[in-house]
Amino acid sequence: RKEVEQDPGPFNVPEGATVAFNCTYSNSASQSFFWYRQDCRKEPKLLMSVYSSGNEDGRFTAQLNRASQYISLLIRDSKLSDSATYLCASLVSNDYKLSFGAGTTVTVRA
Amino acid sequence: NAGVTQTPKFQVLKTGQSMTLQCAQDMNHNSMYWYRQDPGMGLRLIYYSASEGTTDKGEVPNGYNVSRLNKREFSLRLESAAPSQTSVYFCASRDGWVNTEAFFGQGTRLTVV
Repeated sequence: RKEVEQDPGPFNVPEGATVAFNCTYSNSASQSFFWYRQDCRKEPKLLMSVYSSGNEDGRFTAQLNRASQYISLLIRDSKLSDSATYLCASLVSNDYKLSFGAGTTVTVRA
Repeated sequence: NAGVTQTPKFQVLKTGQSMTLQCAQDMNHNSMYWYRQDPGMGLRLIYYSASEGTTDKGEVPNGYNVSRLNKREFSLRLESAAPSQTSVYFCASRDGWVNTEAFFGQGTRLTVV
């Protein structure tokens, strides 16, 4: 079983819509979580780190549920520029292993 | 502010050839990682180095070797390239603290024919 699994999508949404998707992790020793954005197979770039039960950054909200071992990402008021692949990552802090999911593709249409 | 630098950016190999992918970071990070990315597969961890002097296998280590040459550099070697190793390879580094993000190089696009 992969350490991190994601909703693959694709999610195709109109501008202004809200879209949300999940990521589950299998290693209960995972302590830190991240959402990355990747455009056209360029290098991934950090969108947000997920602390505690979750956090918000503008139109983006990430939530962490340790009991069920999943994190979610919600994008409000979607923009065309939000079209990308979103990668979820978990870090096992005792050995620094950083694992990624397969990514969720989001396309925002005009 | 170079960050993470990977060389080469593109490479074509013949089956059975060997090569080394180079990665260097100038952020004084402790941990470094090598991933491969194939369509629909996300980033799969090949090897990682939690700190200088240590290396560990990731999800897909077969066919690869790594060397953490010093704190800055972490190389990935393909001893006998196979077509199944055609992929985009990303190197990343991060500080040792728990909540710190990883920074990625621009990737190496490798084709094995």
